[in-house]
Amino acid sequence: EVQLVQSGAEVKKAGESLRISCKGSGYSFPSNWISWVRQMPGKGLEWMGRIDPSDSYTNYSPSFQGHVTISADKSTSTAFLQWSSLKASDTAIYYCARHVPPSVAGIHDYWGQGTLVTVSS
Amino acid sequence: QSALTQPPSASGSPGQSVTISCTGTSTDVGRYNYVSWYLQHPGKAPKLIIYEVTNRPSGVPDRFSGSKSGNTASLTVSGLQAEDEADYYCSSYAGNNWVFGGGTKLTVL
Repeated sequence: EVQLVQSGAEVKKAGESLRISCKGSGYSFPSNWISWVRQMPGKGLEWMGRIDPSDSYTNYSPSFQGHVTISADKSTSTAFLQWSSLKASDTAIYYCARHVPPSVAGIHDYWGQGTLVTVSS
Repeated sequence: QSALTQPPSASGSPGQSVTISCTGTSTDVGRYNYVSWYLQHPGKAPKLIIYEVTNRPSGVPDRFSGSKSGNTASLTVSGLQAEDEADYYCSSYAGNNWVFGGGTKLTVL
């Protein structure tokens, strides 16, 4: 069974760093891109960026470029989303989602359960 | 990259049909047949219901159908059921990026 299991909720202060994770199982992790999607409280979905775990190639939405870093570790089948300096406006639920080939089609067939990040000022 | 435009709300009675639109531009919806639709129940992760404009993943009822004309994609839910009440999001490839719509809250009256 394909699963994406994300790390637990986080409570941080503005200016702190954070890395959250998304562990894939039930499939060949390097074979499928992983995207990260933000959902701010009461708001819609926003695509942040994606990674190809086979070679760690990434690309980001212009809205998130330079503010977050996406990485992956093939050996542990885990993707990561990290911030070096959080802002209060980063408070949101973050989802990871798997791409189904053709990867560019943006077909996200499996999603993680979401990680709630709360940042206080 | 601007979000795709969806109506904030839609509604219908059980058994009726409702159509939700998703308007983009010639650089996303209009250029690629890579439009997906997701539904999201409160407190849950999104679920894929339509991909590549018209295709349904296995397990998704055929009450859900998708189409596209020009820069606008549409999702039709036929034979509305109580469990269809959810938020619906469209998404499109936009050339090395993906963009979501703002979401439509579907209410089953």
